[in-house]
Amino acid sequence: DARVTQTPRHKVTEMGQEVTMRCQPILGHNTVFWYRQTMMQGLELLAYFRNRAPLDDSGMPKDRFSAEMPDATLATLKIQPSEPRDSAVYFCASGFRVPRDRGSPLHFGNGTRLTVT
Amino acid sequence: QQQVKQSPQSLIVQKGGISIINCAYENTAFDYFPWYQQFPGKGPALLIAIRPDVSEKKEGRFTISFNKSAKQFSLHIMDSQPGDSATYFCAANLFTQGGSEKLVFGKGTKLTVNP
Repeated sequence: DARVTQTPRHKVTEMGQEVTMRCQPILGHNTVFWYRQTMMQGLELLAYFRNRAPLDDSGMPKDRFSAEMPDATLATLKIQPSEPRDSAVYFCASGFRVPRDRGSPLHFGNGTRLTVT
Repeated sequence: QQQVKQSPQSLIVQKGGISIINCAYENTAFDYFPWYQQFPGKGPALLIAIRPDVSEKKEGRFTISFNKSAKQFSLHIMDSQPGDSATYFCAANLFTQGGSEKLVFGKGTKLTVNP
């Protein structure tokens, strides 16, 4: 059963530290999304990639967040420096998209729960 | 215009009852409407989805009703079971000619089905 794998599952860090979250999308998927989930805001889109190229990162605070796909099997989300307001669950999701195909689902990982003290 | 409004925030139903969750959107460019189910400690998982050219879609006990003119859609869970207790998210997807997309989620409904 193919799954999106996210590491670490939990991360506690102090304000000002760098945080790196990793995602292994499902093999063969060409689209990767990063979402942040909080009680107040729900699921917010941070960034997404198609064929490893960033297509939209408008939801991401550019001064401290960065997202990359060094290769097709790894997506990373970095926060530097981290702040308490970054505390949330960060989800990675992958899917396979072709033109005019609206129906393919997104597969979510189980998230990284980040706590910044 | 990019928002999806979901209600209620929480819902308690007795086993065997019908659970109904409603969503509304503004942007008519949305053209794909999935529902996701999330259990504690897990990521959301696709439950059922509909396109705006269809007014209803049924999969087992789960039915989406879609009203394009009212820009509303809803999830009905028939014969609700305790195992259905989870948080449900409606979503709307917008695809651009350039190939990008925006999948926007509602705030979620926490469903509790009592035995």
